[in-house]
Amino acid sequence: SQQGEEDPQALSIQEGENATMNCSYKTSINNLQWYRQNSGRGLVHLILIRSNEREKHSGRLRVTLDTSKKSSSLLITASRAADTASYFCATSLLDTGNQFYFGTGTSLTVIP
Amino acid sequence: NAGVMQNPRHLVRRRGQEARLRCSPMKGHSHVYWYRQLPEEGLKFMVYLQKENIIDESGMPKERFSAEFPKEGPSILRIQQVVRGDSAAYFCASSPKAVGFTEAFFGQGTRLTVV
Repeated sequence: SQQGEEDPQALSIQEGENATMNCSYKTSINNLQWYRQNSGRGLVHLILIRSNEREKHSGRLRVTLDTSKKSSSLLITASRAADTASYFCATSLLDTGNQFYFGTGTSLTVIP
Repeated sequence: NAGVMQNPRHLVRRRGQEARLRCSPMKGHSHVYWYRQLPEEGLKFMVYLQKENIIDESGMPKERFSAEFPKEGPSILRIQQVVRGDSAAYFCASSPKAVGFTEAFFGQGTRLTVV
């Protein structure tokens, strides 16, 4: 079964608004990574947060991690039409570390 | 520093033919991962390799699929006797260490269509 589940499955907002996506996972992790995928394209790495970190920032991106709730959130501030894409979280499990498990993704549409 | 390079970008094969997908990792990366993505779905792990070694192939179908990462040259994912259900996007990623410790970067993918 999927290790990660993103919520919501789809999100539509106006340009300039903030977008928040959540990721829940089932077992203990080494780290969690967020990726963006434009339609029909490859995955772009956005940010990695380690299990001992609670928050990280990168430009307009803010990621939080709550290991007690086994969840993470990705916040995109001041969204742009170019942010329209699918966003995936990927977890590296504590006991293996040999691969990462992807969630089903959140499809974000930013309306100009 | 070039990113992860996959080729071909698009591949069409008839049922029963072989498909060979190539992945050149980023410079300095010795860890390679292959994933498969069906339309409207997330990525499913297939295999994890280091140079000349398969570390974890727990996601690979037991028949018709194989992967290698030779000492020289790209990693190859080979699908023999392709069937319609093999149609998907295949992505590879590379990292300098195991992903438990570092970021992994993806290529643009190979979209396989079996006709």
